[in-house]
Amino acid sequence: QKEVEQNSGPLSVPEGAIASLNCTYSDRVSQSFFWYRQYSGKSPELIMSIYSNGDKEDGRFTAQLNKASQYVSLLIRDSQPSDSATYLCAVKEKKSSGDKLTFGTGTRLAVRP
Amino acid sequence: DAGVTQSPTHLIKTRGQQVTLRCSPKSGHDTVSWYQQALGQGPQFIFQYYEEEERQRGNFPDRFSGHQFPNYSSELNVNALLLGDSALYLCASSSFPQGGGDTQYFGPGTRLTVL
Repeated sequence: QKEVEQNSGPLSVPEGAIASLNCTYSDRVSQSFFWYRQYSGKSPELIMSIYSNGDKEDGRFTAQLNKASQYVSLLIRDSQPSDSATYLCAVKEKKSSGDKLTFGTGTRLAVRP
Repeated sequence: DAGVTQSPTHLIKTRGQQVTLRCSPKSGHDTVSWYQQALGQGPQFIFQYYEEEERQRGNFPDRFSGHQFPNYSSELNVNALLLGDSALYLCASSSFPQGGGDTQYFGPGTRLTVL
C-alpha cells in the first residue's frame, strides 16, 4: 500500500473554475502536511502547509485537513492557465531522528483558457 | 536573501562512473535533505544531514553517500552509476528542530543522465 496517494490526473478545469486536488495518507502519526507545485522540468515550489484539522486559506488556495479520515486536499479558486502544473502532496512524521517528507506521485492539473 | 542553490544544473555520466552533486542551503537553514525524482514520480527521500551527521536515511543503497560541511552546505555522492540512477536530484533545506512545522524549501535540482 502506497503511503501517500494522489490521483495522477490529468484534472482538467476551465479558467475561473475551482480545482479540487485530493490526497490520502496511511501513516496516522503524520504531523505536517504540505502542497507543492511543480512545473514541468522545474523543482517543487511550496504552496501551502497545514498542521491542524480544518481549513487554511492563503489567497486563492485553501488547504483542508482531516486527520481522522487521513485526508488532505487543496482547493484552487479562480483557476488560471498559469496554475497548470503537477501538484505534489507531502506528509511528514516528526521523529527525533529526522524529518523526511513522503510524497505522492502528484496530480497533473490543466486549466483550459 | 539567497535561496537554495545546487550545482551543476545538468550532468551526463556513463555507467560505472561516480558523481558528486552540491547544495547550499537557504540562509538561516542548517538542515539539508536530498531527494531523487524519477520521471513521472514524486520525490523519494535519500537522506538528511544536520550538524554534519546523517540523521535519517531512506531506502537507497550504500552507493549513495553524503556529507555536510561546517557551513551547512552538502554533497551527494553516487558511486558505480546505473542507468536507473538517471533522475532529477533535489536538495531541500530547512531549520531543525522547530517542532512539527519545519518547512523544506527545494533548490532547482540537478538533472543527472546516465548513459
